[in-house]
Amino acid sequence: GAVVSQHPSWVICKSGTSVKIECRSLDFQATTMFWYRQFPKQSLMLMATSNEGSKATYEQGVEKDKFLINHASLTLSTLTVTSAHPEDSSFYICSASFSEQYFGPGTRLTVT
Amino acid sequence: QKEVEQDPGPLSVPEGAIVSLNCTYSNSAFQYFMWYRQYSRKGPELLMYTYSSGNKEDGRFTAQVDKSSKYISLFIRDSQPSDSATYLCAMSEVSNIDMRFGAGTRLTVKP
Repeated sequence: GAVVSQHPSWVICKSGTSVKIECRSLDFQATTMFWYRQFPKQSLMLMATSNEGSKATYEQGVEKDKFLINHASLTLSTLTVTSAHPEDSSFYICSASFSEQYFGPGTRLTVT
Repeated sequence: QKEVEQDPGPLSVPEGAIVSLNCTYSNSAFQYFMWYRQYSRKGPELLMYTYSSGNKEDGRFTAQVDKSSKYISLFIRDSQPSDSATYLCAMSEVSNIDMRFGAGTRLTVKP
């Protein structure tokens, strides 16, 4: 089956620093990848849709200058949380679209 | 009003019970309806995928969609402890694009 990986699986950073999260489709090419955020006991909230080679489309209320998304190849998309703050602490999940959306295992970000 | 409403539970049942999970939604343009299972600190995995109204069965799982009522259900028969997870409903207007998720129902099946 289609596999999507994320790296790192867990990261702790200090307030004001930037963190990069990678999302890779391991055995298929994905022209579209999605980034979600999930707070404890809450639903997945779509942050942005990323198409290979073009700028990401952000959902209303998501700051594009804070959450930088790069989709440079058909197998890799990155999310960079810039100037992270404690309120950015969350579970970030990516998905890659093939015949369906395949989700990565998620990255837990803790900002201290 | 949220676009997708799902009772977060938690829901606890004995092994072998029939489990019923439900979501309601407000957007009548939704055409694609999905159920995902998510284990703790893992990404969701697709369980059922349904287009428009009707029923779909896969093993112990049955998905129902009633578009007239804007109501979808997932039934799990002969529930097992391994079914313990959070179940998320999701829906979209276009397949695999711009999916909206429910809050997820946390299910525990006790041996």
